[in-house]
Amino acid sequence: DIQMTQSPSSVSASVGDSVTITCRASQGITNWLAWYQQKPGKAPKLLIYAASSLESGVPSRFSGSGSGTDFTLAITSLQPEDFATYYCQQTDSFPLTFGGGTKVEIK
Amino acid sequence: VQLLESGGGLVQPGGSLRLSCAASGFTFSSYVLGWVRQAPGKGLDWVSCVGTTGSRTYYTDSVKGRFTISRDNSKNTLYLQMNSLRPEDTAIYYCAKGRGNNGGFDYWGQGTLVTVSS
Repeated sequence: DIQMTQSPSSVSASVGDSVTITCRASQGITNWLAWYQQKPGKAPKLLIYAASSLESGVPSRFSGSGSGTDFTLAITSLQPEDFATYYCQQTDSFPLTFGGGTKVEIK
Repeated sequence: VQLLESGGGLVQPGGSLRLSCAASGFTFSSYVLGWVRQAPGKGLDWVSCVGTTGSRTYYTDSVKGRFTISRDNSKNTLYLQMNSLRPEDTAIYYCAKGRGNNGGFDYWGQGTLVTVSS
């Protein structure tokens, strides 16, 4: 099974800051990686698929990059609604696996 | 697109439950569907997926032999039959629609809570 390791597990930031979250796969997954945002009590929301493709309706301050084993989610100019938990997921092969999550908190 | 789960509840260890997910707003038979769970205060945990015709199914190791995913394309409904339930199966269970082309899950239901406890 492919293990996904996210870092950091949490980060504190202010409105207007930029944040970078990393996700590492235990083996190469080409670009088959998705990023999700989850707010408390809500279902996850797809932000990025295929490592760098922005899902329709997602603000352009979110961007994804990477290939192989190392991936990044970047959020520029943090907005109040961006404070949430973010998860990566490899979509290369079954069993699909998620990273442990990164909580973006208000400083 | 709407996905509406039902069937969750409180069950004793060793018991069974069947979750349903009624879908609308898209061509149901054209997409892979899946179940993802989240234990209280924990992260996301992929459980199972089913291919478009229902003939291909995939499971995480911890539920193999206990859970069965299925779909009824005539009823636009996804199912998860859960047998031999354990306390560690306690979680919110989300159904989700595959985006296609290995694109993750683009639509999710609101979730249904399964609690396994005596």
